[in-house]
Amino acid sequence: ELVLTQSPGTLSLSPGQGATLSCRASQSVSNNYLTWYQQKPGQAPRFLIYGASYRATGVPGRFSASGSGTDFTLNISRLEPEDSAVYYCQQYVTSSFTFGQGTKLEIK
Amino acid sequence: QVLLQESGPGLVKPSQTLSLTCSVSGDSITTGGYYWNWIRQHPGKGLEWIGSIHDSGKTNYNPSLQTRLTISLDTSNNSFSLRLSSVAAADTAVYFCARNPAAPLWQYMDVWGKGTTVTVSS
Repeated sequence: ELVLTQSPGTLSLSPGQGATLSCRASQSVSNNYLTWYQQKPGQAPRFLIYGASYRATGVPGRFSASGSGTDFTLNISRLEPEDSAVYYCQQYVTSSFTFGQGTKLEIK
Repeated sequence: QVLLQESGPGLVKPSQTLSLTCSVSGDSITTGGYYWNWIRQHPGKGLEWIGSIHDSGKTNYNPSLQTRLTISLDTSNNSFSLRLSSVAAADTAVYFCARNPAAPLWQYMDVWGKGTTVTVSS
């Protein structure tokens, strides 16, 4: 069973700083199927990144992502208060989706 | 612009069957090339994929829910549905529906409904 482990659990940063969020898979996975989402309180997840590194339409260039194999990273530069959210990674394997447990990003 | 909207009872009694519908607007559910998914989020927790149905009718289910789960298409109403039997308190969650393009190269959920809260309680 594929497990995605995200770290840190919570990240507290100031506006203008940069954030690095990690997603580690329990086994090697396809880059093409690694996706990142952003979820704000009371809202549905928002599609951010697909194929490990490609921004979805309308996602600001401050969001970038990379990785391969078992280690993937989401980077957010020049943090803004509106970036406060929980970020989830997701993988698709053998016709099933798996989510990481999420990283909560606080901008103070 | 494709929009998804979940609907169904907000309260279900233990041991009964939870039934939800996701109505799709802005495109036909049978246009081709999409899987239609259900995802849930327990209170204060992360996201759990429940299952999906292709517009051909092919389904994929989370193994942990498979024995209690049925996902179906309703082409006449441009919607798809979730039925989860023998519910318990652990099924209390916000339930989301979402679309994913059935492209061999990529797999992601690009359009989501706002979610609907279901509480299992007597």
